[in-house]
Amino acid sequence: GAGVSQSPSNKVTEKGKDVELRCDPISGHTALYWYRQRLGQGLEFLIYFQGNSAPDKSGLPSDRFSAERTGESVSTLTIQRTQQEDSAVYLCASSLVGTGTKETQYFGPGTRLLVL
Amino acid sequence: AQSVAQPEDQVNVAEGNPLTVKCTYSVSGNPYLFWYVQYPNRGLQFLLKYITGDNLVKGSYGFEAEFNKSQTSFHLKKPSALVSDSALYFCAVRDRDNFNKFYFGSGTKLNVKP
Repeated sequence: GAGVSQSPSNKVTEKGKDVELRCDPISGHTALYWYRQRLGQGLEFLIYFQGNSAPDKSGLPSDRFSAERTGESVSTLTIQRTQQEDSAVYLCASSLVGTGTKETQYFGPGTRLLVL
Repeated sequence: AQSVAQPEDQVNVAEGNPLTVKCTYSVSGNPYLFWYVQYPNRGLQFLLKYITGDNLVKGSYGFEAEFNKSQTSFHLKKPSALVSDSALYFCAVRDRDNFNKFYFGSGTKLNVKP
């Protein structure tokens, strides 16, 4: 089956504009994660969705960042009033939740965001 | 607090030589441990994981990792490096008592020279 997909693959925007990034998880995966990866750096956790539970938003860097997910399907990450320091690759991952082989995260290719 | 440490930003090794990429972790409970690889301009790919059982875990592309509970380590190894192994490697831990976040290390760039 298809893996995790993200769109757009690249996004160039002007400082102050809003952007919306999309993630389509693997069908049936109840857990969905957003990460940010600045150039040459590690992964920075942003937000986690698990089924219908309240999302874990503890990694969102500011109130300009928000994310939504409807049920166990598509998620959107929105960045309002973008700043140059928001430039990064935004990675989405999904997984099942359980024991044994179900914990592996599968990553999408990422959205490369450049704020001018 | 949960954390993962990869003490080396970069590892250089000659093709054909063994390689080790180090990872240590700190979690309150028993961990699930993972290694991921990221090739240039591509997303992260799962390499291997430790859930339970044998401390030596074998994964994709000939990689293996050894879980050492006393040293809280999960070093990635390969007996004979290939130039094509050159990539960015991330160690990650998931707390069994908290099925929420994965905690990722900062990554280690592996350079394999011909």
